[in-house]
Amino acid sequence: GAGVSQTPSNKVTEKGKYVELRCDPISGHTALYWYRQSLGQGPEFLIYFQGTGAADDSGLPNDRFFAVRPEGSVSTLKIQRTERGDSAVYLCASSLSGGYNEQFFGPGTRLTVL
Amino acid sequence: AQRVTQPEKLLSVFKGAPVELKCNYSYSGSPELFWYVQYSRQRLQLLLRHISRESIKGFTADLNKGETSFHLKKPFAQEEDSAMYYCALSGKGGSEKLVFGKGTKLTVNP
Repeated sequence: GAGVSQTPSNKVTEKGKYVELRCDPISGHTALYWYRQSLGQGPEFLIYFQGTGAADDSGLPNDRFFAVRPEGSVSTLKIQRTERGDSAVYLCASSLSGGYNEQFFGPGTRLTVL
Repeated sequence: AQRVTQPEKLLSVFKGAPVELKCNYSYSGSPELFWYVQYSRQRLQLLLRHISRESIKGFTADLNKGETSFHLKKPFAQEEDSAMYYCALSGKGGSEKLVFGKGTKLTVNP
C-alpha cells in the first residue's frame, strides 16, 4: 500500500515569505507527527496529532510555526515569516494509534530559505 | 531531560567484521528504545525496538539500564548495511514522540 507522502519534495523560498508543507499519512493511521532535521542532526520533534487535535506541540520552536489536521488525515505545517534558520528537511510520520506503534516516515520536504 | 547520545559520527568497518554502534540515553524513568536506519536515497525506517526483542537483518540491541545504553550490534557486517543509523527513545504515557540521536554513518567496505 501507499506509504506516507509529503509535498512538495523541495521548496525554495525567500526570507520573510510564508510556506505550507503537506503530509498525507497512511490511511487509517490516527497519529501523525512532524519532525525537523537540520544538517548533521537527527530528527527533532515538532508536533503530534491524535486525530484532529494537537496532543503535543511542545516542539514547535516559536509562534511562526503552526500545524493543522482538520479532518484527522492530511496535515499541513505552516511557517510564517520564514528565516534562514528554518532551512531543514521537514519529516512527517504516522502510526496506527500512537503509543509504541511503529512510526512510518515520509520522504521529507527539503525547505531552503534564501 | 530526554537526550540520546551517539558518540560516533562516522564508523567504517570491513565486510565480515563485527560492528557495534553506540547509543547512550538520558531519561528519568523507563523509556522505550529504538534503532532507525536510513539507506541512501530512502526514507527513515524502523530497524528494531527493544520492546519486540527481535533480531532484524542480523542486528541486535541490548538495553543496559545500569549504563543507560542501547548499543546496536551485528557479528558480521555486510556491504548493504552501509547507511545512517539513528538511536531514539520514547517516553511512556506521553505523546510517544521520538527523541533522536545525531546519528552514525556506517560504511562497510568490501
